Amino acid sequence: ILNVEQSPQSLHVQEGDSTNFTCSFPSSNFYALHWYRWETAKSPEALFVMTLNGDEKKKGRISATLNTKEGYSYLYIKGSQPEDSATYLCAFKAAGNKLTFGGGTRVLVKP
Amino acid sequence: EPEVTQTPSHQVTQMGQEVILRCVPISNHLYFYWYRQILGQKVEFLVSFYNNEISEKSEIFDDQFSVERPDGSNFTLKIRSTKLEDSAMYFCASSELTSGLGEQFFGPGTRLTVL
Repeated sequence: ILNVEQSPQSLHVQEGDSTNFTCSFPSSNFYALHWYRWETAKSPEALFVMTLNGDEKKKGRISATLNTKEGYSYLYIKGSQPEDSATYLCAFKAAGNKLTFGGGTRVLVKP
Repeated sequence: EPEVTQTPSHQVTQMGQEVILRCVPISNHLYFYWYRQILGQKVEFLVSFYNNEISEKSEIFDDQFSVERPDGSNFTLKIRSTKLEDSAMYFCASSELTSGLGEQFFGPGTRLTVL
């Protein structure tokens, strides 16, 4: 059974502050690590697909790093804004089709 | 921007009834998926579908579940005889590729409530 864990489960951030949170996943049979941003009542939105150890991806104020050897990825939000409030999901992909999701980190940015 | 759509947004049914959840994937995508999230739990994979057949399924996807692409645009999930524990948010997704870079695009979900 694949175990993908995210921490913390939730965090409150003051507007303007930067924050980061973790996704840990199995270090064997790695194909890709997906990050999604999910606002309530909307579709989960794909942020990044990461495949290479040491990879770093950026989209606006959000960036992510990947360490496949030790099995973790960090997601960073720089200068948090209220619109960054959402649940951030990571999903591990081994060989095959399925994504195995973590439990998500719920981010609430306070104005 | 193309998107995955799902109908209905909320379905309420009685235990033992059949339900069909509908999805319209992104038009040029070849791979289709169903996931679900039971309240308070992780999103979990149910099934993937390619070239008009199931390519992978989880242990959850038993004989009560079936998928179909009836007309080249819709992708459906049928639950034959619903149980209380089938209550969940059901997500459809589609992708162009199934390799490591195969980004899966998700619909907004159908909330299924079994009474």
